[in-house]
Amino acid sequence: SAVISQKPSRDICQRGTSLTIQCQVDSQVTMMFWYRQQPGQSLTLIATANQGSEATYESGFVIDKFPISRPNLTFSTLTVSNMSPEDSSIYLCSVWGVVNTGELFFGEGSRLTVL
Amino acid sequence: LAKTTQPISMDSYEGQEVNITCSHNNIATNDYITWYQQFPSQGPRFIIQGYKTKVTNEVASLFIPADRKSSTLSLPRVSLSDTAVYYCLADSGGYQKVTFGTGTKLQVIP
Repeated sequence: SAVISQKPSRDICQRGTSLTIQCQVDSQVTMMFWYRQQPGQSLTLIATANQGSEATYESGFVIDKFPISRPNLTFSTLTVSNMSPEDSSIYLCSVWGVVNTGELFFGEGSRLTVL
Repeated sequence: LAKTTQPISMDSYEGQEVNITCSHNNIATNDYITWYQQFPSQGPRFIIQGYKTKVTNEVASLFIPADRKSSTLSLPRVSLSDTAVYYCLADSGGYQKVTFGTGTKLQVIP
């Protein structure tokens, strides 16, 4: 299994500001995934973060808007830059279990509201 | 990555068996079918995974026909606490990126 802690759990932000979300995993993992879940919607993959290399972004997401850091095998950050109300979402961090059981583990999410 | 299609929503009374179907016509040979459950304000949680035929655990059963183009998640005797969104995924089972479909919002009615 994998236990994931995300901070902050929720925040209210002003338009134009940036916020960094932290994801801490209790074990070393190669890949970490960042998802966005807009209100009432499914999860959308933002990017895949591998330690020691640039994150790989999905179509529609760019590094300038969602810079990601992956300084070690247990930690990653996602920054939501120059926020607008459209960025109001839940942001979720996810990893595969250390033992390959085919199970993805998720953090509790970070709920951002942009005013 | 195989695309999955499932009903947007379902309602069921407490105590009934609920079957949620998922279509994955383009599933790859090495893909598994995995189901996740998500409660409000929580991240998705793994329920069950299978490759073919039938898999059962303490939470649910998963039925996969021989052609693997569809699957059915079966929840026995649902309770109000089973109200959640259920996602069907077809993925290679580990160490690849995973995309989520629309999910099925199950509402259990007293």
